[in-house]
Amino acid sequence: AQSVAQPEDQVNVAEGNPLTVKCTYSVSGNPYLFWYVQYPNRGLQFLLKYITGDNLVKGSYGFEAEFNKSQTSFHLKKPSALVSDSALYFCAVRDPPYNTDKLIFGTGTRLQVFP
Amino acid sequence: GAGVSQSPRYKVAKRGQDVALRCDPISGHVSLFWYQQALGQGPEFLTYFQNEAQLDKSGLPSDRFFAERPEGSVSTLKIQRTQQEDSAVYLCASSLTENTGELFFGEGSRLTVL
Repeated sequence: AQSVAQPEDQVNVAEGNPLTVKCTYSVSGNPYLFWYVQYPNRGLQFLLKYITGDNLVKGSYGFEAEFNKSQTSFHLKKPSALVSDSALYFCAVRDPPYNTDKLIFGTGTRLQVFP
Repeated sequence: GAGVSQSPRYKVAKRGQDVALRCDPISGHVSLFWYQQALGQGPEFLTYFQNEAQLDKSGLPSDRFFAERPEGSVSTLKIQRTQQEDSAVYLCASSLTENTGELFFGEGSRLTVL
C-alpha cells in the first residue's frame, strides 16, 4: 500500500533561515508525490507536485521539494523562511489507480517560524 | 463560485442524530472527494466521485456513512446515528479532471458529537 511518513510533528525555525520539512514515502511503482499547506481555519492548499522529470520541483510561495529515489524522500524546502509560512504542512502520495486524484496524506508537520 | 464551499462550517449533534454535510465544488470540476480529518491527524480518504458516479467508497468507516452527488455537482455526506468517534473535520475537495494532481479543498465542516 502507498504511504508517506512525516517524522517530525513540529519544526521551529527563525525567520530568514532555511527550512526543511521531511517526508519519506513507500510506494509500489512510480511515486506521484505532493505537498499541501493548511493555514489556520483555511482549507488545504496545493503547494507542489512531483510526477516525473527533474528531481527539484518548484512550487508556490517560494517553496521547493527535492525528490530522492535512493532515500525514498521528498523533503520540502525554502531558502529563507517567513513568519507567514507558519502553518501545517502535509506530504501526500497518489493512491493507485493513477488515473484518479485520490491522495494518501501524512500526519502533518507544524512549521513555526519565529521573528 | 470561486472556491469549494462547505456547509455547515460547524455542527454539534447529539449522539444518535443524523447529520448531512454539503459540498459545493468549483463549477466544472469532474472529481469530488470527501476526507475525514481527526484532531492532530492528516486527512483520511472517505470516498470519491467522478461526475455523479461514486467510483470509490473504500474509506467510508461504516454503513452509517453515505455520500451522493446526484447531478454531478453538489455532494452531500450523510452520517446516520452519529457516534462520538465521528467527531472530526470533514473536508471536501474537487479537481478539474480525474488526474490533474491538484485538489482544491473547502474549509471543512467541523462535526462535534456529544
